[in-house]
Amino acid sequence: EPEVTQTPSHQVTQMGQEVILRCVPISNHLYFYWYRQILGQKVEFLVSFYNNEISEKSEIFDDQFSVERPDGSNFTLKIRSTKLEDSAMYFCASSRGARGHGTDTQYFGPGTRLTVL
Amino acid sequence: GQQVMQIPQYQHVQEGEDFTTYCNSSTTLSNIQWYKQRPGGHPVFLIQLVKSGEVKKQKRLTFQFGEAKKNSSLHITATQTTDVGTYFCAGRGGSGNTGKLIFGQGTTLQVKP
Repeated sequence: EPEVTQTPSHQVTQMGQEVILRCVPISNHLYFYWYRQILGQKVEFLVSFYNNEISEKSEIFDDQFSVERPDGSNFTLKIRSTKLEDSAMYFCASSRGARGHGTDTQYFGPGTRLTVL
Repeated sequence: GQQVMQIPQYQHVQEGEDFTTYCNSSTTLSNIQWYKQRPGGHPVFLIQLVKSGEVKKQKRLTFQFGEAKKNSSLHITATQTTDVGTYFCAGRGGSGNTGKLIFGQGTTLQVKP
């Protein structure tokens, strides 16, 4: 069964450094998402991406964040200057988009645990 | 903004007992999804409910969507140790034109053998 994959599984960085989290969505999916989950808390939406542009973003997704689909398979989340409060598990998800993404099932990757020191 | 509340936060049951988690939205939802997250794992899709009053079953799991499409529940009959994990509801806004999922806080289920 196709799966969303994410690398690395764990990233440790110093405050102020840039990080890039990578995701490979399921191959025939059209919509891509990033969510984050601070330890012990709920999953929070960051951004959705379709047709090479952001379709929706939350208030968390400020100017420090950006997303990109650099080639036909990867989907990346970049945090320009990390802060301590960016420490969290970051999940990538994708959905098929066949019926419009308002009713699509979103499939989540295993996550990248980001630790900012 | 739209909020989804989920209770209880934790539930400890003896194996064989039933378990229910409840989800309430501050606004009408277009649909709701349920996910299970094992410790250290990622959310795994269980089911989606779309219609008002919808009830769906998956073996020992029963999912309901309220008539007003503002609340939902997941009931597990005769829990097993494999049911351990955190169960999240995640709703989409009333317009139905968004992919954004608003997650509840989750209910963490512990099952004592």
